[in-house]
Amino acid sequence: RKEVEQDPGPFNVPEGATVAFNCTYSNSASQSFFWYRQDCRKEPKLLMSVYSSGNEDGRFTAQLNRASQYISLLIRDSKLSDSATYLCAVNTPSGTYKYIFGTGTRLKVLA
Amino acid sequence: EAGVTQSPTHLIKTRGQQATLRCSPISGHTSVYWYQQALGLGLQFLLWYDEGEERNRGNFPPRFSGRQFPNYSSELNVNALELEDSALYLCASGIRQDTEAFFGQGTRLTVV
Repeated sequence: RKEVEQDPGPFNVPEGATVAFNCTYSNSASQSFFWYRQDCRKEPKLLMSVYSSGNEDGRFTAQLNRASQYISLLIRDSKLSDSATYLCAVNTPSGTYKYIFGTGTRLKVLA
Repeated sequence: EAGVTQSPTHLIKTRGQQATLRCSPISGHTSVYWYQQALGLGLQFLLWYDEGEERNRGNFPPRFSGRQFPNYSSELNVNALELEDSALYLCASGIRQDTEAFFGQGTRLTVV
């Protein structure tokens, strides 16, 4: 089983739609969780950290479910500019610790 | 405030040569992470340096190595280059291992 897994998509949604992505992790001792956005052939950019109580930043909401070992990202009122690949990152104990990234979920918002 | 900077932006090498990639972290960050992203694939963890020491490495052969300098900048060396080493190499920095990491723009390495 992969340490961090994401549905690769693509998710094709119309403008204004709400879309949700999940990311599962295998190590229950994982500490920290993040969502990044990566545009084609560019570096990943931090979107938001994921806190135990859940957190919101404008149209974006992130949640952590430790019992089921997944994090989620909800995007409301999708914009064309949200089209990108969304990567989850999990700080996982392996030896010491390391950031493991999922392979990413592609989102395409359609006009 | 300057972000993470990587150099060079592009690098072309022939098979068997060595490549050296450089990374300067955000000021105040002591942790540096290196990742490999082959075309169309996800980020593969390579190395983590903190306070000048290698703290962890991913499942890569020993010809991938690096170091972190006293000013926390870092260098990734890839020896005996193979065609499959062609990829985007990304460096990220963070304050410590459990906080968010910020990426540089990457070095695109092409091995011919």
